[in-house]
Amino acid sequence: QSVLTQPPSASGTPGQRVTISCSGSSSNIGSNYVYWYQQLPGTAPKLLIYRNNQRPSGVPDRFSGSKSGTSASLAISGLRSEDEADYYCAAWDDSLSLVFGGGTKLTVL
Amino acid sequence: QVQLVQSGAEVKKPGASVKVSCKASGYTFTSYDINWVRQATGQGLEWMGWMNPNSGNTGYAQKFQGRVTMTRNTSISTAYMELSSLRSEDTAVYYCARGRIGSRFDPWGQGTLVTVSS
Repeated sequence: QSVLTQPPSASGTPGQRVTISCSGSSSNIGSNYVYWYQQLPGTAPKLLIYRNNQRPSGVPDRFSGSKSGTSASLAISGLRSEDEADYYCAAWDDSLSLVFGGGTKLTVL
Repeated sequence: QVQLVQSGAEVKKPGASVKVSCKASGYTFTSYDINWVRQATGQGLEWMGWMNPNSGNTGYAQKFQGRVTMTRNTSISTAYMELSSLRSEDTAVYYCARGRIGSRFDPWGQGTLVTVSS
């Protein structure tokens, strides 16, 4: 199993707000930044959030990230059909290894 | 634009080795580390390790120590990941991603499917 813990699935209807949680430990999330990656079906992962809550250029402000202690969350507001994807959280461990969550499959109903 | 383009799909027999390439363009190749991440079908992402194209220094995930080798050819801005002693569990899509150690991965290559089958 993955070092970071995410719910395997999440869902919402268009326009809703959904959140995805990511739980880790003091050696990863607790002491390092959290990153979120979006993987659309059949494509490579894409950076969605970096340094806990920063959005790369081109990522809509409907996506936001937060971190508290050893947990983090990704929020998507104004849910759209094109947001249907797998979402992965990631964090560097103090041993300089990157750890991922198991991924959350988001379904837009 | 910054881009990573990987080599094509491979089919290998158990016990063989595979070498996947990742050609960088749109930026100075030696300025950013290259990381490798794999994903088995229907499964999550698994980080394999990193390589610094400037120095050639590497760091591998403990799981792959002794089986993986990451190298580069700076003259053609290309990174390589070689995995040896392949077994069926190594069947996966292998991605390269640009990113300094401790930082974000952006962008990612398109992925290379490696199938290990007798």
